[in-house]
Amino acid sequence: EADIYQTPRYLVIGTGKKITLECSQTMGHDKMYWYQQDPGMELHLIHYSYGVNSTEKGDLSSESTVSRIRTEHFPLTLESARPSHTSQYLCASSEPGTGEETQYFGPGTRLLVL
Amino acid sequence: QKEVEQDPGPLSVPEGAIVSLNCTYSNSAFQYFMWYRQYSRKGPELLMYTYSSGNKEDGRFTAQVDKSSKYISLFIRDSQPSDSATYLCAMSKSYSSASKIIFGSGTRLSIRP
Repeated sequence: EADIYQTPRYLVIGTGKKITLECSQTMGHDKMYWYQQDPGMELHLIHYSYGVNSTEKGDLSSESTVSRIRTEHFPLTLESARPSHTSQYLCASSEPGTGEETQYFGPGTRLLVL
Repeated sequence: QKEVEQDPGPLSVPEGAIVSLNCTYSNSAFQYFMWYRQYSRKGPELLMYTYSSGNKEDGRFTAQVDKSSKYISLFIRDSQPSDSATYLCAMSKSYSSASKIIFGSGTRLSIRP
């Protein structure tokens, strides 16, 4: 079983609040990813990182930001939450040297912005 | 048009039946094909991945790729209630770190005891 953790699992917050979704993995993976998943819709890559101090935006435009100061930690921040940010956010990491295929996902954070 | 199309279901079959899940895609550059299983309120977990065309078998699961038709399938034999989940197909163009994975929207599968 993959050792990748996300907190909080559920979050209900008011518009305009700043929030940080935490993601950490203990597998020593260099590559980490954030996806957004709405019900019945495909996963959309919003951010990825190939190592410490490396972050890139994904295919889906997002108002969130990420940082990668430590290998095991890849937090996602929303400076000012809006109802349009309501979604499920999934963090993933992949094994070094194996490309994108064997991604391990965390349990997700369900965010509701009122 | 989406790059990957997947019937959302839901698909409901009796226990013990053979299940067939499918995806079609439009980009012939895809070479790596994956199936993920996602239980309710959990993240996806990789079930199988295959390269190019052909079949791959793992226990009760068989993944099939037909690149000429741009069509991939996942077969589940002797289906169990524990197989009830959403199944996501996914694919990428290459094995390199620059390649992104494109996911289907998932098919909800329910196995009736």
